[in-house]
Amino acid sequence: DSGVTQTPKHLITATGQRVTLRCSPRSGDLSVYWYQQSLDQGLQFLIQYYNGEERAKGNILERFSAQQFPDLHSELNLSSLELGDSALYFCASSVEGLDTQYFGPGTRLTVL
Amino acid sequence: GQQLNQSPQSMFIQEGEDVSMNCTSSSIFNTWLWYKQDPGEGPVLLIALYKAGELTSNGRLTAQFGITRKDSFLNISASIPSDVGIYFCAGHGGTSYGKLTFGQGTILTVHP
Repeated sequence: DSGVTQTPKHLITATGQRVTLRCSPRSGDLSVYWYQQSLDQGLQFLIQYYNGEERAKGNILERFSAQQFPDLHSELNLSSLELGDSALYFCASSVEGLDTQYFGPGTRLTVL
Repeated sequence: GQQLNQSPQSMFIQEGEDVSMNCTSSSIFNTWLWYKQDPGEGPVLLIALYKAGELTSNGRLTAQFGITRKDSFLNISASIPSDVGIYFCAGHGGTSYGKLTFGQGTILTVHP
């Protein structure tokens, strides 16, 4: 158990819908990262937050957004969903200034 | 952008055999990490390497940070059935915050 929690474990929805994925980092970690894992793209970095502020952005679509709240949990919002958004979405967290990231169990999103 | 080439893509070995996999990068990394992922689960950190030339062990696992800072390898000695899974290398570049770049993964199958 990495100490990072993610909910829900599974999510099934339809095209055009909007969903919210939630992540709670390890106790004491200030930084949260979101990754997408699909069969053809592997693990791709989406976005990073540090202590409530956006710190780095990767290949995140404009239809996707994220935020980190004062209690340090983070949410990833995916809107206008397409079939190709079906993937595993992972959250990871790390201590301030350190690179070692610990991953949560992931949310499997299926868009029908 | 930064890319990691991980090889081999897959390995089929007998229980008790040693395993070796490696990653090479087109650019320099300051940190190398090795993760293992079981199906449907999040990546679990195995070994973290922070200095060029560093050799680190974790039980039957040994990993090294290449002198050029563009490569790393992971060795597993005396493999057992529970070693089955996907192994990923990941690298972090020059900034203190930001994304990990992942290799494509090595699928390891261990026959009893």
